[in-house]
Amino acid sequence: EVQLLESGGGLVQPGGSLRLSCGASGFTFSDYAMAWVRQAPGKGLEWVAAISGSGGSTYYADSVKGRFTISRDNSENTLYLQMNSLRAEDTAAHYCARAASYGSGSYGYWGQGTLVTVSS
Amino acid sequence: DIVMTQTPLSSPVTLGQPASISCRSSQSLVHSDGNTYLSWLQQRPGQPPRLLIYKISNRFSGVPDRFSGSGAGTDFTLKISRVEAEDVGVYYCLQGTQFPYTFGQGTKLEIK
Repeated sequence: EVQLLESGGGLVQPGGSLRLSCGASGFTFSDYAMAWVRQAPGKGLEWVAAISGSGGSTYYADSVKGRFTISRDNSENTLYLQMNSLRAEDTAAHYCARAASYGSGSYGYWGQGTLVTVSS
Repeated sequence: DIVMTQTPLSSPVTLGQPASISCRSSQSLVHSDGNTYLSWLQQRPGQPPRLLIYKISNRFSGVPDRFSGSGAGTDFTLKISRVEAEDVGVYYCLQGTQFPYTFGQGTKLEIK
């Protein structure tokens, strides 16, 4: 069974940093692209960043480019999101997601999310 | 970036009746590999999103066959043949053809 478990969320001041982690199990981690998707309170879904299975290719939303870094450790089956220069508008539940299958262009497996709150 | 526009934003439906949600993209979603990476996701209250349909019309594992997807190019539709109580939630389209991927605003499905 595919399982994704996010951690690392919490309260941080504007301008601060936070690193999210997503532990994966139930599949060969390095075979799949992974992504972070977030959802501000009461709002819709926003795609944040994605990384290829090898980690060699990364992609970002314009809203986080230059501030966030997605990475993965395939030996530890873990996905990361390093978030720097955090702003109030980054307050959201952050979900880790796995590609549905190779070449599907979508995400078939999701974690329960971890909440990031940026406030002074 | 590709902009995804969903209509309607809210859809009150009667149990057992059909429902339909439209999604339009600001440019063609046909990838250079010939595939069209348009998917539909459902988010029930308090839950993470759930993939329903990928590549326009392919149902994901475990998705009931009352859900179907269609469309081409820039216009796509999700149909529910007979709405059940468990279908209440917000539905999103997602384009995975070009980075950055982008979601539609979401359509809230409610029971009348």
